Amino acid sequence: DAKTTQPPSMDCAEGRAANLPCNHSTISGNEYVYWYRQIHSQGPQYIIHGLKNNETNEMASLIITEDRKSSTLILPHATLRDTAVYYCIVRGWNSGNTPLVFGKGTRLSVIA
Amino acid sequence: DVKVTQSSRYLVKRTGEKVFLECVQDMDHENMFWYRQDPGLGLRLIYFSYDVKMKEKGDIPEGYSVSREKKERFSLILESASTNQTSMYLCASTSDRRTYNEQFFGPGTRLTVL
Repeated sequence: DAKTTQPPSMDCAEGRAANLPCNHSTISGNEYVYWYRQIHSQGPQYIIHGLKNNETNEMASLIITEDRKSSTLILPHATLRDTAVYYCIVRGWNSGNTPLVFGKGTRLSVIA
Repeated sequence: DVKVTQSSRYLVKRTGEKVFLECVQDMDHENMFWYRQDPGLGLRLIYFSYDVKMKEKGDIPEGYSVSREKKERFSLILESASTNQTSMYLCASTSDRRTYNEQFFGPGTRLTVL
């Protein structure tokens, strides 16, 4: 699985959009970008994933650059409950039974 | 909404005790997983199961066993708990047969072995 690089921490004002970047310059053609988050003392929560097109669901939007070497997770109107560690994971269709590798992620603090 | 529940949020046991951690999911998922999460080590896969009565070892199965008698329930067993098994234990499930990438996690059980 390709390696990802994320900033260690970010702040965002409540009600504003939170834009969380992820670099994955070694991503290969069959690898998807997944985003999870982990709120303190809870299990990780799947947010969204994409291959090359931008994706949106009820939680967030995922913007993947045309060369697929980076992506941005967007929380359009961040709330205090969005304070969590956000993980960008790149995995291919042949990942099978290998465990999810979460890395260090970005600690997002939403401030009132 | 997928719901994965774990039997306890916090558990304290003594060295040598047999410990059962239960996980139940309500979305008819075939695949279930047990991880442990430790600071600086991330998530490590202990065991997973892709069907009833089927189990596969993950990266760190030593000291653990599992049971999957029913599709919705996956149990992790510590045969003789030791202090180095103090950790956060996370159960997950997915219906994604091909990649196991979109996993739904339970709230976790923080186990302390004294």
